[in-house]
Amino acid sequence: EAGVAQSPRYKIIEKRQSVAFWCNPISGHATLYWYQQILGQGPKLLIQFQNNGVVDDSQLPKDRFSAERLKGVDSTLKIQPAKLEDSAVYLCASSPGSEGEQYFGPGTRLTVT
Amino acid sequence: SQQGEEDPQALSIQEGENATMNCSYKTSINNLQWYRQNSGRGLVHLILIRSNEREKHSGRLRVTLDTSKKSSSLLITASRAADTASYFCATVTNQAGTALIFGKGTTLSVSS
Repeated sequence: EAGVAQSPRYKIIEKRQSVAFWCNPISGHATLYWYQQILGQGPKLLIQFQNNGVVDDSQLPKDRFSAERLKGVDSTLKIQPAKLEDSAVYLCASSPGSEGEQYFGPGTRLTVT
Repeated sequence: SQQGEEDPQALSIQEGENATMNCSYKTSINNLQWYRQNSGRGLVHLILIRSNEREKHSGRLRVTLDTSKKSSSLLITASRAADTASYFCATVTNQAGTALIFGKGTTLSVSS
């Protein structure tokens, strides 16, 4: 079974530029999550999708972050404009939809200079 | 805000020794999960314990849950160098749906 795919793996941008991350979840997983992990901390949920609908985006900085999950499969997360404090690893995870374990991708390491 | 707090923040042991990590959380949970993260990699699920369970085993892992104290512990027996990683507890609460709320993690170093 293929795992969660993310791209790119690394990205370096200057502040005020825009960036987009892509995630392809495990086939058949209804629920998709984006997490932000700042160095030395645990991941923090940004947004949760159930199929192509948003379940929770309460911690998403909506003035600069946006996310979509077209057709309930893969998803993109965009930051525009980026700030220095957005430097982090962005993790995508998926789950079959139950309360159980989540399957994480390798993450995208973003550096904003 | 983070729900869980792991203790200790860092742990160094020798191969063959046991490693114990603790996690405390603040609000009522549906279940508690432990994840491992190797340096620069994604997270890997280790074990899930439900709120009505007290202990669970998986291979060299033993997890306990005390809902009255809002705490959990992860025991890794007979540790190996390959166990070197960061370990996170994460909770699923009724309020958060199925999203995980992570602690800050314990960094485990196992030397040979």
